[in-house]
Amino acid sequence: DAKTTQPTSMDCAEGRAANLPCNHSTISGNEYVYWYRQIHSQGPQYIIHGLKNNETNEMASLIITEDRKSSTLILPHATLRDTAVYYCIVRVDGSNYQLIWGAGTKLIIKP
Amino acid sequence: GAGVSQTPSNKVTEKGKYVELRCDPISGHTALYWYRQSLGQGPEFLIYFQGTGAADDSGLPNDRFFAVRPEGSVSTLKIQRTERGDSAVYLCASSLGRGLVNTGELFFGEGSRLTVL
Repeated sequence: DAKTTQPTSMDCAEGRAANLPCNHSTISGNEYVYWYRQIHSQGPQYIIHGLKNNETNEMASLIITEDRKSSTLILPHATLRDTAVYYCIVRVDGSNYQLIWGAGTKLIIKP
Repeated sequence: GAGVSQTPSNKVTEKGKYVELRCDPISGHTALYWYRQSLGQGPEFLIYFQGTGAADDSGLPNDRFFAVRPEGSVSTLKIQRTERGDSAVYLCASSLGRGLVNTGELFFGEGSRLTVL
């Protein structure tokens, strides 16, 4: 699976949109982009995933560039409870489940 | 239960002792995974079960680590002759498994924090 690169940490003001970038320049055509987050002392939580089209659900939006070499997770109206470590992962769907996790981005939402 | 349940939530043991960590997945989930997470790092894959069989155990660090899932539901991670370097949070996750119903979403438990003194 392709490797991902994310900033170590980011701040965002409460109520504003949080935009978390992820680079995956070696992504293959059949690899999906997944986002999970981990709130302190909890297990990781699935957020969203996509292949090449932009995706939106009740938690977030995922914007994938046309060349698929990078993506951005958008939390439209960040709250204090969104403070967490956010992980961007690429994986071939339906194949092995050995997700390769990096260190993620520590997102701190400030009041 | 509603989610993935892991017990114990905390385990403190002495170097050289044997430890068992239990995972109760979401009912109906055929796939089960064990991960290990050290402080400040992302989860590290250990083993994946599809039903009762270990489909991929390539992440187990050495032969002191072993996991079973005899009836295709509850799983136990077993660590023999524990070492201080085994200290970590051990995470269990489950999913619906392969096929059209699989979105790739893993449901994680809260983890079992193991401390080896």
